[in-house]
Amino acid sequence: NAGVTQTPKFQVLKTGQSMTLQCAQDMNHEYMSWYRQDPGMGLRLIHYSVGAGITDQGEVPNGYNVSRSTTEDFPLRLLSAAPSQTSVYFCASSRGTGGFSPGEQYFGPGTRLTVT
Amino acid sequence: TQLLEQSPQFLSIQEGENLTVYCNSSSVFSSLQWYRQEPGEGPVLLVTVVTGGEVKKLKRLTFQFGDARKDSSLHITAAQPGDTGLYLCAGTFLTNTNAGKSTFGDGTTLTVKP
Repeated sequence: NAGVTQTPKFQVLKTGQSMTLQCAQDMNHEYMSWYRQDPGMGLRLIHYSVGAGITDQGEVPNGYNVSRSTTEDFPLRLLSAAPSQTSVYFCASSRGTGGFSPGEQYFGPGTRLTVT
Repeated sequence: TQLLEQSPQFLSIQEGENLTVYCNSSSVFSSLQWYRQEPGEGPVLLVTVVTGGEVKKLKRLTFQFGDARKDSSLHITAAQPGDTGLYLCAGTFLTNTNAGKSTFGDGTTLTVKP
């Protein structure tokens, strides 16, 4: 199993550009999440999904869109990049706990995004 | 907004010393996870605690969940340089407003010097 994979590993964008961060998992997990991590801080939840076709907002959703057409894939779209979106982005997946709680999460290696 | 507070934020010790880091909240957790993150990588799960008063051991690491399920601690015995990293706690709260979400603390950055 590859676990959780993310592409690209690094990305530099100009202000106003759009892009999609890719995330895929091969563990048949229902629950997937996107987090951002800024220096000296923990992880903040952007969006999450409890299954294909179901997504919801996290703590910091503005400027980001998600969709979940398959169990395996959960892409994150930046609509119009801003310098404030410079961060490290992590995708995670988990089996969930039946009560829509993520439980134990498996993380990808991250995408390091710089917006100039 | 329900918060997780981790302390200390930074900890620098010599190899062989013992240490404890803490994770606290004013709300009750339905479950709590501890993760370790190395530079340039994603967090890796260490343990999950669910039951109040629960103690779990992972080699030299001991994890404890408070009786009221509002706090947790991680104790490392005889720390080694390989223990260096960012330790994160993450909890799912019982209240409906946060159902379905994990909340992460800001982490404790541990440096173990040889």
